[in-house]
Amino acid sequence: AQTVTQSQPEMSVQEAETVTLSCTYDTSENNYYLFWYKQPPSRQMILVIRQEAYKQQNATENRFSVNFQKAAKSFSLKISDSQLGDTAMYFCAFIPLVSSGDKLTFGTGTRLAVRP
Amino acid sequence: DTGVSQDPRHKITKRGQNVTFRCDPISEHNRLYWYRQTLGQGPEFLTYFQNEAQLEKSRLLSDRFSAERPKGSFSTLEIQRTEQGDSAMYLCASSFFPYEQYFGPGTRLTVT
Repeated sequence: AQTVTQSQPEMSVQEAETVTLSCTYDTSENNYYLFWYKQPPSRQMILVIRQEAYKQQNATENRFSVNFQKAAKSFSLKISDSQLGDTAMYFCAFIPLVSSGDKLTFGTGTRLAVRP
Repeated sequence: DTGVSQDPRHKITKRGQNVTFRCDPISEHNRLYWYRQTLGQGPEFLTYFQNEAQLEKSRLLSDRFSAERPKGSFSTLEIQRTEQGDSAMYLCASSFFPYEQYFGPGTRLTVT
């Protein structure tokens, strides 16, 4: 079964500091996409960053970057210079390209609070 | 284009009633997905369409659930004979590529 595990239900960070959210996943496939989605309180899910498994280089989007360790099946999200607007639920997700069709498999989420 | 829209945003219904939700995808997107999110959990896949064809359904989608996407545009998700366990946020997403899904704001269903 394809699974995603986020072991940190809640995290807190001081504004302007750096925080890392953890994610591990399980798949027997070699080709897949990994994602981090952000869900602010009472607002819709937004794609933060995407990583293709065949790319060794870690994806970055402004203050957001990932540490992709394919052998360890680990995909952590680093948020630099945290801002109050980063307060949200963060979901790790992936799509194995062969077996899952088009559906995303999500983890249970990490609730991040940015303290002023 | 204003993104994926869903209607209604909130629905309160009594157990046993039927409800229908609508999703309007981003106009050029041929793929449309329905997910369900319960409190404290990540979204779970329910079903997906490519154009008007429903290509996959989750085992979560019991016989009381039906989804349609006539003409490959908007989609509806109907739940018949609602149960309290159906209370959840129902999310719609659309995409042109499967690895770039854009989500709507969701419909929060409460079954009393």
